[in-house]
Amino acid sequence: KAGVTQTPRYLIKTRGQQVTLSCSPISGHRSVSWYQQTPGQGLQFLFEYFSETQRNKGNFPGRFSGRQFSNSRSEMNVSTLELGDSALYLCASSLDWGADPEAFFGQGTRLTVV
Amino acid sequence: AQTVTQSQPEMSVQEAETVTLSCTYDTSENNYYLFWYKQPPSRQMILVIRQEAYKQQNATENRFSVNFQKAAKSFSLKISDSQLGDTAMYFCAFMRGNKLVFGAGTILRVKS
Repeated sequence: KAGVTQTPRYLIKTRGQQVTLSCSPISGHRSVSWYQQTPGQGLQFLFEYFSETQRNKGNFPGRFSGRQFSNSRSEMNVSTLELGDSALYLCASSLDWGADPEAFFGQGTRLTVV
Repeated sequence: AQTVTQSQPEMSVQEAETVTLSCTYDTSENNYYLFWYKQPPSRQMILVIRQEAYKQQNATENRFSVNFQKAAKSFSLKISDSQLGDTAMYFCAFMRGNKLVFGAGTILRVKS
């Protein structure tokens, strides 16, 4: 079956702009999580959605937001981009953490803010 | 707060030899899950092995096995018969609720 698909793979944006990243989870998976990976901070949890509801949110400013659609696809948005937002953004899907705690990751979106 | 510590930033091993990556974590919970993920240069995070805290038996997946010491809050990964394809960043992760908390990672280089 198809894996987790993230689009786009690479993105270059200018400071102050906004960006939207997309994640299509594995078919049948209802939970989608987002992580930010940087050399300095490592992997940090952004938020998790399940059945269109945000269940958990990490310690990120309000410029970072997300949503999930009825088909479980998820988007995350970053507004007013800063240089420090340059990172690899990883999406992970799972059936449901409570039922089967295993996450499958996409290949990530590499965001560069200039 | 749950924290995960990987004390070895980099490690090297000769092909066909065995290597152990260390991980310690801090939690006050009794039931939880621990994972090792591999991230090769392609950046794809791949689950290597999973351990449930209530299971005393150490998890094993082919050449990969863990040494889970719950009282010591230690969760090391042993890779036997190392292969060139094992070269990657390895992350130890702790799960509670519906999120993962990752360690800083260990870069493993397998040499021929």
